[in-house]
Amino acid sequence: EADIYQTPRYLVIGTGKKITLECSQTMGHDKMYWYQQDPGMELHLIHYSYGVNSTEKGDLSSESTVSRIRTEHFPLTLESARPSHTSQYLCASREGFTEAFFGQGTRLTVV
Amino acid sequence: RKEVEQDPGPFNVPEGATVAFNCTYSNSASQSFFWYRQDCRKEPKLLMSVYSSGNEDGRFTAQLNRASQYISLLIRDSKLSDSATYLCVVNSKIGSGGGADGLTFGKGTHLIIQP
Repeated sequence: EADIYQTPRYLVIGTGKKITLECSQTMGHDKMYWYQQDPGMELHLIHYSYGVNSTEKGDLSSESTVSRIRTEHFPLTLESARPSHTSQYLCASREGFTEAFFGQGTRLTVV
Repeated sequence: RKEVEQDPGPFNVPEGATVAFNCTYSNSASQSFFWYRQDCRKEPKLLMSVYSSGNEDGRFTAQLNRASQYISLLIRDSKLSDSATYLCVVNSKIGSGGGADGLTFGKGTHLIIQP
């Protein structure tokens, strides 16, 4: 089993609230990624990081922000949640050019 | 042209049959290749890496053709539990600047094994 964890697993929140999705890995991987995936649809990269204090936006425009203050921790923040943010958010990490390991995901619903 | 292309299916296959998926990629500089499996409402999980010489893991065989830029996955003696979405994944340049490397996922091929 991969040592990468996401919390919460499920979140229902009202419009306009600020939320932070947590992602932690204990494998010491430098590279970490956030993907967004709607049911039955493809994964879209929204943020990635190559190490501490390194963050970049991905291919899909997102209103979220990320930080990487510690190697093991890569939280994603939405300052003001909207119904269009309803989706599944998947965090992943990898070392070098090897495979990526995924967390179990956070299923977010904004009402 | 999308970076990684797969036939979305669905592939409806009887139990015990052999099924094959193909995937094409556009970046000839891609260095590593994978097949992932994703069950409904779950996270993707690595099925197998794909090596240039081809590799096998039980009932699963993966092949890479760098000249034609395609990857294949063969499943023999399919089981009901093989029903899932299979994602072709390629290491390539990512991000708006295209200067960093990461994994690009295909849309996935949906496989349904029927009893």
